Amino acid sequence: DVQLLESGGGLVQPGGSLRLSCAASGFTFTNFAMSWVRRAPGKGLEWVSTISGNGGSIYYVDSVRGRFTISRDKSKNTLYLQMNSLSAEDTAIYHCAKGIVVVPAARGYYFDYWGQGTRVTVSS
Amino acid sequence: QSVLTQPPSVSGAPGQRVAISCTGSSSNIGADYDVHWYQQLPGTAPKLLIYGNNNRPSGVPDRFSGSKSGTSASLAITGLQAEDEADYHCQSYDNSLNGFYVFGTGTQVTVL
Repeated sequence: DVQLLESGGGLVQPGGSLRLSCAASGFTFTNFAMSWVRRAPGKGLEWVSTISGNGGSIYYVDSVRGRFTISRDKSKNTLYLQMNSLSAEDTAIYHCAKGIVVVPAARGYYFDYWGQGTRVTVSS
Repeated sequence: QSVLTQPPSVSGAPGQRVAISCTGSSSNIGADYDVHWYQQLPGTAPKLLIYGNNNRPSGVPDRFSGSKSGTSASLAITGLQAEDEADYHCQSYDNSLNGFYVFGTGTQVTVL
């Protein structure tokens, strides 16, 4: 069975940093693009970032570009999200999500498995 | 923030039919990009419910169906059950400068 287990969330002050991790199992990690999707309190889901199976293609939503860095370690089957310069607007539950193909595509691309998420709270 | 608009909430009695709209624009749904739907039960991970506008993954009951027309899509739940009480999210792709994968504003379904 596919399993995605996030960790690394917590309470951080504005301007601070956090590194989220997502341990993946049950599938060949390098064969699929992976993403981070967040849900702020009272809001809908928001796509944050996607990385291709080999790490060679990376995409970010405008609001995090330059502050967040997505990466993956094939030896550990783990996805990461380094988050810097955090603000209150980044407060959310962060989910990792598995894509359906190795390279993110425009047409027909969706997320077939999700993790439970890790909560990030940015507050002084 | 969200470029796809959904009603905040819909409700229905057990056994009834409810429908959730997902309204986009010419840079996403209207550009013929597929729409996908996810169900998120309280405190749980989102679950893929419909992919490619109207396809159900294995294990999803046929009470759930999707459709797409023009710049909008819709998720219908027939024979509403108590276990369907959850948040529902649509997702597509957006080809504008700020776009990539986009989600709807989310809809909470309440079973009366």
